[in-house]
Amino acid sequence: NFMLTQPHSVSESPGKTVTISCTGSSGSIASNYVQWYQQRPGSAPTIVIYEDNQRPSGVPDRFSGSIDNSSNSASLTISGLKTEDEADYYCQSDDSSENWVFGGGTKLTVL
Amino acid sequence: EVQLVQSGAEVKKPGESLRISCKGSGYSFTNYWITWVRQMPGKGLEWMGRIDPSDSYTDYSPSFQGHVTISADKSTSTAYLQWSSLKASDTAMYYCARQLDYGVDYWGQGTLVTVSS
Repeated sequence: NFMLTQPHSVSESPGKTVTISCTGSSGSIASNYVQWYQQRPGSAPTIVIYEDNQRPSGVPDRFSGSIDNSSNSASLTISGLKTEDEADYYCQSDDSSENWVFGGGTKLTVL
Repeated sequence: EVQLVQSGAEVKKPGESLRISCKGSGYSFTNYWITWVRQMPGKGLEWMGRIDPSDSYTDYSPSFQGHVTISADKSTSTAYLQWSSLKASDTAMYYCARQLDYGVDYWGQGTLVTVSS
């Protein structure tokens, strides 16, 4: 079964830059687009990156996405960290049967 | 304004049946798939399946196939998620979302289902 693996947690200080990785278990992560979702406590998720590196309208350009074929990973980078960025972040892609797969989620702490 | 409004929280006993709903408004309901996502207490997101409201074609995650049924009524712009026999392990928050080619753009507010004897 195709899986996406994320670090359980990351932390960084306000104003700094943090990168969250999402590693595919098999095949090429570049074969299907990767999306990233932000979920603040007690709220529904919201999408922050779609199609690997596209930002929906309203999402600050501090958020960016990328793919690294050499490590079979996608990454979400947040620059100029703000306390409001503290949330859980999930990557999502498709398996070979076009079923969606979510990563386990990464808790971002901004302190 | 696009909205997905889900039905309210439910408390059920093991073995009972349940159907929760997700009503879309502010867009053409039949133009977008609706996907369902489970989030167990303190855990991550899990994709359950999706439906094309235009013809009620469904896809299920292998993990949920046979355990839940996804349906839709295009006349009322409402999608449904139902169980015929709940288990304690079905206790979770359930989200519906409007699916794009890749990812989703609008989410419902979530429906908390608690199954306890």
